[in-house]
Amino acid sequence: EVQLVESGGGLVQPGGSLRLSCSNSGFAFSSYWMNWVRQAPGKGLEWVANIKHDGSETHYVDSVKGRFTISRDNAKNSLYLQMNGLRAEDTAVYFCVRDPLYFSGWPEYFQHWGQGTLVTVSS
Amino acid sequence: DIQMTQSPSTLSASIGDRVTITCRASQSISGWLAWYQQKPGKAPKVLIYKASSLESGVPSRLSGSGYGTEFTLTINSLQPDDFATYYCQQYSNYPRTFGQGTKVDVK
Repeated sequence: EVQLVESGGGLVQPGGSLRLSCSNSGFAFSSYWMNWVRQAPGKGLEWVANIKHDGSETHYVDSVKGRFTISRDNAKNSLYLQMNGLRAEDTAVYFCVRDPLYFSGWPEYFQHWGQGTLVTVSS
Repeated sequence: DIQMTQSPSTLSASIGDRVTITCRASQSISGWLAWYQQKPGKAPKVLIYKASSLESGVPSRLSGSGYGTEFTLTINSLQPDDFATYYCQQYSNYPRTFGQGTKVDVK
């Protein structure tokens, strides 16, 4: 069974930094595109970033470019999101999400989701 | 960015009803569309991918159709488990974008 567990969320002041982690089990982590998707309280879903199975390719939504960095450590079966320069509008539940296809060259939809970790940016 | 627009935003329905949600893309996305269901406090769950393919384990009373810019999610004979919020999402282009959501509640 695919399991994704996010950690690292919490309360941070505007301008601060936070690093989210996603541990996982039940699949060959190094073979899948991975994503971060967020949801502000009471709002809809927003894709944040993704990373290719070997880490060679990453993509970001414009609103986080230059502030957030997605990375992975396949030896540790872990996905990360380094968030710098946090703003109030980054307040959200952040979900770790897996792509459906094994060793795909092009990522598709969001098949497996973690339960999310809440990031609150406030003074 | 490709804008995804869902209608309606809220839909009130009864058990046994046939429900249809529409999703429109601001430009053609071919068939690269997924539908998700989300319940309060839970992670979304994928229902449909590639516009009309049913994800494993999803009941056959749900179906998706469409191509290009117009898509629909249909729930035949609405069941208690179907009261939730539904999102469409395109994976044709970056950034990946979602519709604003359609809440299906009890009439």
